[in-house]
Amino acid sequence: SQTIHQWPATLVQPVGSPLSLECTVEGTSNPNLYWYRQAAGRGLQLLFYSVGIGQISSEVPQNLSASRPQDRQFILSSKKLLLSDSGFYLCAWSGGPRTFSANTEAFFGQGTRLTVV
Amino acid sequence: AQSVTQLDSQVPVFEEAPVELRCNYSSSVSVYLFWYVQYPNQGLQLLLKYLSGSTLVKGINGFEAEFNKSQTSFHLRKPSVHISDTAEYFCAVVRGSQGNLIFGKGTKLSVKP
Repeated sequence: SQTIHQWPATLVQPVGSPLSLECTVEGTSNPNLYWYRQAAGRGLQLLFYSVGIGQISSEVPQNLSASRPQDRQFILSSKKLLLSDSGFYLCAWSGGPRTFSANTEAFFGQGTRLTVV
Repeated sequence: AQSVTQLDSQVPVFEEAPVELRCNYSSSVSVYLFWYVQYPNQGLQLLLKYLSGSTLVKGINGFEAEFNKSQTSFHLRKPSVHISDTAEYFCAVVRGSQGNLIFGKGTKLSVKP
């Protein structure tokens, strides 16, 4: 069966420090991968998605970047965190060879709560 | 661009009462609609989805939703809620050729004894 791992679960970082959040998927190959951010009262905002190794699409301009060094690994990074980067970050994957298939659901990790102080 | 509007940010309700969580979408093309639930400090779990066919969709935990094309709505309902249904509920739509999920801002359902 497929599983998705996301870590760390919580993180407190000072302003200006770097960030690296990691997400890995097991039990499937060539998944579509997503990073979402959830801020209070703002729902879930799609930050990045990837349909393959090294292929990253950014949905919104921001202080963050994403990388996919391996098929089932998706990393969210920042060189210098801002206070506004605080939030709950969710990684997700879905099936489909190249695009999200409406016949499959998206599976989410448990999330990382990031607090920038 | 497709978007999703959840009209209520918070819905308090007493246990065993019925509940409806509202969702409206905007799209000029065929849509696929989803409801997800998020329990505190956890990821999201799929409740139900509408792809085609019957407009009444049944999901897990006794929830159901009705797709109404003329009103561009996909409201979530449950005839009798439990304390354990306390969570945040997200309506979502698949957008564009990439099919990325676009979420509404969420509705926090609070079930009181």
